[in-house]
Amino acid sequence: GQNIDQPTEMTATEGAIVQINCTYQTSGFNGLFWYQQHAGEAPTFLSYNVLDGLEEKGRFSSFLSRSKGYSYLLLKELQMKDSASYLCAVTSGGYQKVTFGTGTKLQVIP
Amino acid sequence: DVKVTQSSRYLVKRTGEKVFLECVQDMDHENMFWYRQDPGLGLRLIYFSYDVKMKEKGDIPEGYSVSREKKERFSLILESASTNQTSMYLCASSPETGALGEQYFGPGTRLTVT
Repeated sequence: GQNIDQPTEMTATEGAIVQINCTYQTSGFNGLFWYQQHAGEAPTFLSYNVLDGLEEKGRFSSFLSRSKGYSYLLLKELQMKDSASYLCAVTSGGYQKVTFGTGTKLQVIP
Repeated sequence: DVKVTQSSRYLVKRTGEKVFLECVQDMDHENMFWYRQDPGLGLRLIYFSYDVKMKEKGDIPEGYSVSREKKERFSLILESASTNQTSMYLCASSPETGALGEQYFGPGTRLTVT
């Protein structure tokens, strides 16, 4: 089976940097995704990692270590609109089967 | 822009009713997915389809079936709705090529079974 762990909630201050961790255990690992989901809305894609290392996309960066089963999402220069849930998801197998973590609810405070 | 639409935003059904949830995508994507999302449990995969008339069970297929007769449409069927199927249902699609597994989600259907 697959197991994905991420913190349930985090709080950070506007303008600061926050790191959201995700650990996973899976067989047939293909890649790891991060999605953002605002309350009452559908998830939207943020980033994707296949190889070890850091992928940077504006204020957001995502890191992957395949050997450690570990990823993190780094959000810089936090804005109030970044308050949302952040979902870590792992793909495995041959048919893009995706398993999501339960999500980390981030609250950005002034 | 990719657009995934779902037939209803809110739905209320009675126990034992047959329920159809429809999902349509307009980007010619190969893969389509049905999830349910519950507090504390996150998104859980019910079924997915990688081609017309093809389907694969996800992690929680019991009590559900699916149909994909056309590429753009993927239907989720609750044969006999039960109260434990009260949930938010999300449909998604993804292309075969490109960022492996990047999924585009519909707005969701909040189903209440009474």
